[in-house]
Amino acid sequence: DGGITQSPKYLFRKEGQNVTLSCEQNLNHDAMYWYRQDPGQGLRLIYYSQIVNDFQKGDIAEGYSVSREKKESFPLTVTSAQKNPTAFYLCASSRGKDSNQPQHFGDGTRLSIL
Amino acid sequence: DQQVKQNSPSLSVQEGRISILNCDYTNSMFDYFLWYKKYPAEGPTFLISISSIKDKNEDGRFTVFLNKSAKHLSLHIVPSQPGDSAVYFCAASARNTGNQFYFGTGTSLTVIP
Repeated sequence: DGGITQSPKYLFRKEGQNVTLSCEQNLNHDAMYWYRQDPGQGLRLIYYSQIVNDFQKGDIAEGYSVSREKKESFPLTVTSAQKNPTAFYLCASSRGKDSNQPQHFGDGTRLSIL
Repeated sequence: DQQVKQNSPSLSVQEGRISILNCDYTNSMFDYFLWYKKYPAEGPTFLISISSIKDKNEDGRFTVFLNKSAKHLSLHIVPSQPGDSAVYFCAASARNTGNQFYFGTGTSLTVIP
């Protein structure tokens, strides 16, 4: 079955620690995205990538970093510079920027601070 | 600045009746609109979309209406079922933003049996 896999489902971070959230897709999609959801808010875009080895900042990129070395993978690192990292993180993918196609989402990773 | 707004945080409807969820947007360049359904602790699931060249798109019990002059779209669910209880997000994108999607804050729908 094609889809998007996020791992882990739950993640705990100590103060001053970097953590990496995994996102893998087997949909052969060119574009991948990371969003953050906080209670009572919509999805806010952190980073997105339209092709391998290229990515752009979204609206709230500060304190986060990404890489896109493979088409299938788009890991997100939450660095110690992110002062309020507790949130629900969602990864998504779509065919690409030139097509009106929906984004498909993984089931998310909930990050909490110890 | 929120470019896509859902002004009703919650909505309750009796089973079998119509549910109408509303969404407003400010960017006139948006040309593709979507609705997603989300259960707790899961990712959003794509429900239905509409291109700006249309004013209506229907898929089974779900119909999306687009009023470009009012910059307003709505999702109609008829008849509503208890399994429809979830949070619904509307989203919009424009080709000149590289297919970047902008999401509303969501409306929590409760269908009462």
